[in-house]
Amino acid sequence: RKEVEQDPGPFNVPEGATVAFNCTYSNSASQSFFWYRQDCRKEPKLLMSVYSSGNEDGRFTAQLNRASQYISLLIRDSKLSDSATYLCVVNRASKIIFGSGTRLSIRP
Amino acid sequence: DAGVIQSPRHEVTEMGQEVTLRCKPISGHDYLFWYRQTMMRGLELLIYFNNNVPIDDSGMPEDRFSAKMPNASFSTLKIQPSEPRDSAVYFCASSLAGGPDNEQFFGPGTRLTVL
Repeated sequence: RKEVEQDPGPFNVPEGATVAFNCTYSNSASQSFFWYRQDCRKEPKLLMSVYSSGNEDGRFTAQLNRASQYISLLIRDSKLSDSATYLCVVNRASKIIFGSGTRLSIRP
Repeated sequence: DAGVIQSPRHEVTEMGQEVTLRCKPISGHDYLFWYRQTMMRGLELLIYFNNNVPIDDSGMPEDRFSAKMPNASFSTLKIQPSEPRDSAVYFCASSLAGGPDNEQFFGPGTRLTVL
């Protein structure tokens, strides 16, 4: 079993919809968490960090559930430009582990 | 401001040849990371440096891979000899002090094809 797992998708949703996806991690010693976005044939870019209390950045909300060992990303009022692959990142001591990514496709 | 610079952007080589990938991190960043991305395995951390010193190289696949950071503004990832299974996109990233717990800025990647 992978230490960090994501549903690969693709999630195909209409513009304006709300979409959410999770990322589970297996090591309870994991310390910090992030969501990165990667467009097709481009490099990953930080979308947002994930804080214990949950955090919001515009239409994006990230949550951390330590008890169940997952992080989530919620996108409200989705735009065509949100189409991308979303990678979760879990750090544990000096270990940096990227999930395989969830593909999101927003249709007009 | 210049971001992370990688060269070459594309490399096609034949099995058995030596391949050298280059990276220039963002000026002032203390950490430099090398990643490999494939469809099968996703994005994998190969090695990272703090102040030019390798911190964790547990992700380096085997002895054919080596990485160096001779100074704060330059790093290389070398594969010798290369094999077809090394075909992937290789990303370099850098971050400020705090390393893994800080935002990483990725370069555009080097797309390597080994025939």
